Amino acid sequence: KQEVTQIPAALSVPEGENLVLNCSFTDSAIYNLQWFRQDPGKGLTSLLLIQSSQREQTSGRLNASLDKSSGRSTLYIAASQPGDSATYLCAVWAARDDKIIFGKGTRLHILP
Amino acid sequence: EAGVAQSPRYKIIEKRQSVAFWCNPISGHATLYWYQQILGQGPKLLIQFQNNGVVDDSQLPKDRFSAERLKGVDSTLKIQPAKLEDSAVYLCASSYIYEQYFGPGTRLTVT
Repeated sequence: KQEVTQIPAALSVPEGENLVLNCSFTDSAIYNLQWFRQDPGKGLTSLLLIQSSQREQTSGRLNASLDKSSGRSTLYIAASQPGDSATYLCAVWAARDDKIIFGKGTRLHILP
Repeated sequence: EAGVAQSPRYKIIEKRQSVAFWCNPISGHATLYWYQQILGQGPKLLIQFQNNGVVDDSQLPKDRFSAERLKGVDSTLKIQPAKLEDSAVYLCASSYIYEQYFGPGTRLTVT
């Protein structure tokens, strides 16, 4: 059964710093991996989608990598801003279950 | 392209009352999902529809929750009667070729 883990659960970083969020999954049989942003009490906004055949995706200050063989993904945020404060969720589309499995998220707080 | 629409955005009810949520997926998306997200946790799948048929409802508390997707387009999720532990954000999503798109969510508070 696919499991997705995100570490750390919470992170506080001074504004302007670069940071990395981690996601790990137990079964490499995935169609894709997706990073979402969620503001308190709101829905999920897709940030980056990496197909299983890809190694990374970039959008602005965000870069996501995927190492399927080791079951790991990272989300790199460059030059962090207070507006980046949110919960970041990682999800994999598990091929064996044919369903999306979410991690519990990392709560990020950027200190002004 | 219009996104996934949900209503209402917020709802406050007392325990034992009933509540219904509505979702309209992105046009052309055959698969529709309802998730429950309790504070501090990842979304939990309640039910998945493929067109108007149910694919997975294994985590839906069927004694109090029901969902339908008539005509394979929009969907409603109902809770009757509500319990305090149903307080959560209810998310609707639709998908096309293994990519999900989420609506803004409905924040339910049960007092």
